[in-house]
Formats: sequence, structure tokens, C-alpha cells
Amino acid sequence: DGGITQSPKYLFRKEGQNVTLSCEQNLNHDAMYWYRQDPGQGLRLIYYSQIVNDFQKGDIAEGYSVSREKKESFPLTVTSAQKNPTAFYLCASSLTPGWSEKLFFGSGTQLSVL
Amino acid sequence: AQKVTQAQTEISVVEKEDVTLDCVYETRDTTYYLFWYKQPPSGELVFLIRRNSFDEQNEISGRYSWNFQKSTSSFNFTITASQVVDSAVYFCALSEPDNAGGTSYGKLTFGQGTILTVHP
Repeated sequence: DGGITQSPKYLFRKEGQNVTLSCEQNLNHDAMYWYRQDPGQGLRLIYYSQIVNDFQKGDIAEGYSVSREKKESFPLTVTSAQKNPTAFYLCASSLTPGWSEKLFFGSGTQLSVL
Repeated sequence: AQKVTQAQTEISVVEKEDVTLDCVYETRDTTYYLFWYKQPPSGELVFLIRRNSFDEQNEISGRYSWNFQKSTSSFNFTITASQVVDSAVYFCALSEPDNAGGTSYGKLTFGQGTILTVHP
């Protein structure tokens, strides 16, 4: 079955530590996205990638970094510069980067600070 | 600036009741898309519907229906004869082209979400 796989499901970060969230898709989609979800709030865009080896900052990119070395993979690193990292992180993809495209989502990673 | 408001934070109904989730949006663009997504307890958002700004026809899909009214900038979602499996968080979203930056991604804004609980 095609889809988006995020791992781990739960992740804990210590002070000053960088952590990486994995996102893999086998839908052959060009575009991939990372969103952050906080309780009672909508999703906010962290980074997106329209094509391999290219990515753009979203609305809340500070304290995060990404890479897109393969079409299937779009890992997100939460760096120690992100002072409030506790949130639910969702990875998504779309067939093309178009603004009218529907998104397909993974099941998310809950990140908490120890 | 674009904005999406889902005024109902939480709704609780008993199975078989009809329920309407409200969505009001703000945009200066004449060309835009509206979406509804469902987030069940498993976490992933699931696409329900996409509607472009030039198509005001209401849509029905089984027990789900959507009422798009440009005059009131609303895109409401009704579930008829609700079931326990409908319990989820529902998000309305607005997408516009990126007129300033020229990127193809555009701007997608989500509402805060409405938590729907359907009791047996």
C-alpha cells in the first residue's frame, strides 16, 4: 500500500539536543511538507520541498532544518535553537507542488522535551 | 491576509444526530481553493473535499455534504446521521496562489480545527 511513513511515533528530546524525525513516502510524489500542530491550533508550515535537492522555509522555520536528497525522503531536524519543540509533527506530500493540490499525510510524531 | 475561522472548538452529539461544522474564511483573492480534512485519533489527516472559488455548487458524498457560499465567505460541512466513527478533529483550509513570490506552492492556511465527538 502506498503512503507516508513517519517515525518514531513518540520522541523525547533533552535540553541542547538535536533530534531528527523521519518521513518516507512511496507515492512517487514530487512535493513534501512538514507541519507543526499544537493543541487547539491549526497546522503551521515549517518547511516544504517541491523537488529533490530543493526546499523552502515555511512560516515557522526557525530552529528547524531539513534535507531532500531523495525523492522519497524528507527528514526534519529539530535543533537546540528551537526553544519550544513540544508539539505534534506531521509530514505530508502532494503529487505536484501546486497550490491547489490535496495533501496526503503521515500519522505524525509526538515530540516532547524531557 | 488570509484567515480561516472555525468558531466551534468542540461539538458533542449523540449517534444519528445531524451536525454542521462551520468554516468562515477571509481572502482578497478571487481565485482560491477550500479544503476539509479529517484527523481521526490515529493522527494522520485525511482529505475529504476540495472546492475552487468558481464552483459554488454544493456537494454531497454519502452522509457528508458541503455548503459553499461566497456571499458569506463560508464553507460549512454537514454530517447526516452521525456515527461514532465520525469522531475526529476536522480542519477547514484555504489555499491561495503566491502572487508576490511567484512560487508554485502558494499559501495554505488551516483553521484551528473542530473536535467532534459522537456518543453511542
